Amino acid sequence: NAGVTQTPKFQVLKTGQSMTLQCAQDMNHNSMYWYRQDPGMGLRLIYYSASEGTTDKGEVPNGYNVSRLNKREFSLRLESAAPSQTSVYFCASRGDGYTFGSGTRLTVV
Amino acid sequence: AQSVTQPDIHITVSEGASLELRCNYSYGATPYLFWYVQSPGQGLQLLLKYFSGDTLVQGIKGFEAEFKRSQSSFNLRKPSVHWSDAAEYFCAVGAKSNYQLIWGAGTKLIIKP
Repeated sequence: NAGVTQTPKFQVLKTGQSMTLQCAQDMNHNSMYWYRQDPGMGLRLIYYSASEGTTDKGEVPNGYNVSRLNKREFSLRLESAAPSQTSVYFCASRGDGYTFGSGTRLTVV
Repeated sequence: AQSVTQPDIHITVSEGASLELRCNYSYGATPYLFWYVQSPGQGLQLLLKYFSGDTLVQGIKGFEAEFKRSQSSFNLRKPSVHWSDAAEYFCAVGAKSNYQLIWGAGTKLIIKP
């Protein structure tokens, strides 16, 4: 099925550990996004990539880095995880509308 | 400032009753408007969108929304809700030339049997 695939679905990190969240889309979309979702705050944009080879900061980029590896893949990296980064992370790609992955639930202890 | 307001954090309706979820926006350019639904533990699914043309738009699962420019609103409606509609609903606004959406905080819909 066409869509956005995120891995992993769940992750627990210790403070200071690093990890990379993977995202891939098979809809040939140019733009891709990383959001975080926290209770009562809706979705907040971390980074986005308007096209292959470009990335830009969103509303809450601090503590994160991204890589647009190719047109299909857009990864999000936490270099030194902090408890404030406990959240649910969603990847999305944009065509006529936005298509979202099923999310990664990250807990930093 | 650009913003999206969903005034109701929670709404409770009886199964079979009608539903209206409110969305107001403040946006400087011509708005592209979206409603998304999120079931527990799931990602977000597009219900409907408005880009231009007829201000009453039909979406999936029997939902519709009406764009009212004079009121800066894009309210979501359904004539008769089903228990499976229990979820969180998000309104968002963007521009065709802009790659970023502005999101409301969401409205959680609770269905009473």
